[in-house]
Amino acid sequence: AQSVTQLDSQVPVFEEAPVELRCNYSSSVSVYLFWYVQYPNQGLQLLLKYLSGSTLVESINGFEAEFNKSQTSFHLRKPSVHISDTAEYFCAVSEGSVNDYKLSFGAGTTVTVRA
Amino acid sequence: GAVVSQHPSWVICKSGTSVKIECRSLDFQATTMFWYRQFPKQSLMLMATSNEGSKATYEQGVEKDKFLINHASLTLSTLTVTSAHPEDSSFYICSARDFRGAAGELFFGEGSRLTVL
Repeated sequence: AQSVTQLDSQVPVFEEAPVELRCNYSSSVSVYLFWYVQYPNQGLQLLLKYLSGSTLVESINGFEAEFNKSQTSFHLRKPSVHISDTAEYFCAVSEGSVNDYKLSFGAGTTVTVRA
Repeated sequence: GAVVSQHPSWVICKSGTSVKIECRSLDFQATTMFWYRQFPKQSLMLMATSNEGSKATYEQGVEKDKFLINHASLTLSTLTVTSAHPEDSSFYICSARDFRGAAGELFFGEGSRLTVL
C-alpha cells in the first residue's frame, strides 16, 4: 500500500517569489505521481503527472515537478508565483497500473500568494 | 476539459435524516465514478467506486449500508448518507474518468459539504 506525505500544510509566499511544495511517498512498487490543484470553491484539477519517461514534468502554467525515485519524492516548484496561484495543492500516488484510479492523496498544501 | 458537477454544494441536515448527493458528468459518459471523503486538513480518502449498472465497490472500513451508492446511468452517480449523524459531517468529492482523455487523469466535482446538526 502507498502513502503520501505533504510536508507543508501552509505555504505563504510573496508574488513573483519562487515556491516549492514537498511531496514524499512510500510504495514498494512502481508508482504514478500526480499533482492536483483546487482553487477556492472549485473541484480538483490535474496540474501535472509523472507516468514514465523524463523525470521532470511541466505544466502549461509554469509549474514543474521532478520524480526522484531514490528519495521517493515528487516536489512541485514554480520559479515565480502569481496571485492567481493561491490555491490548495494535492499530491497523489497510484501504484501498480496507470489505469488504477485508486489514488492516495496527501493532506494538501495551502499556498497563499501575497502582493 | 471534461466537467464533473456535484449537487448540492452545501447541505445542512438534522441528525437521523438522509441526504443525497449527486455527481454528474456533464459532457462525457462515465461507467465508473469515485466517491471521496475529506476531513478538514486531511487527505481525500477513497470511499467507494461506483459502477454503472452494477453494485458499488466499497473500500475497507466504509459502511455500505450507511453510504448508499447508485450509478443508474452513464452520467449520474448518487451518494446517499443514511441516518446521518454529526460524525458524518465532511466534504464529499466525486470524480470520473473520461476515456476520451489521456490515461491517468480523473476529473473531479466541486465537492459537497455536509453538516449534520
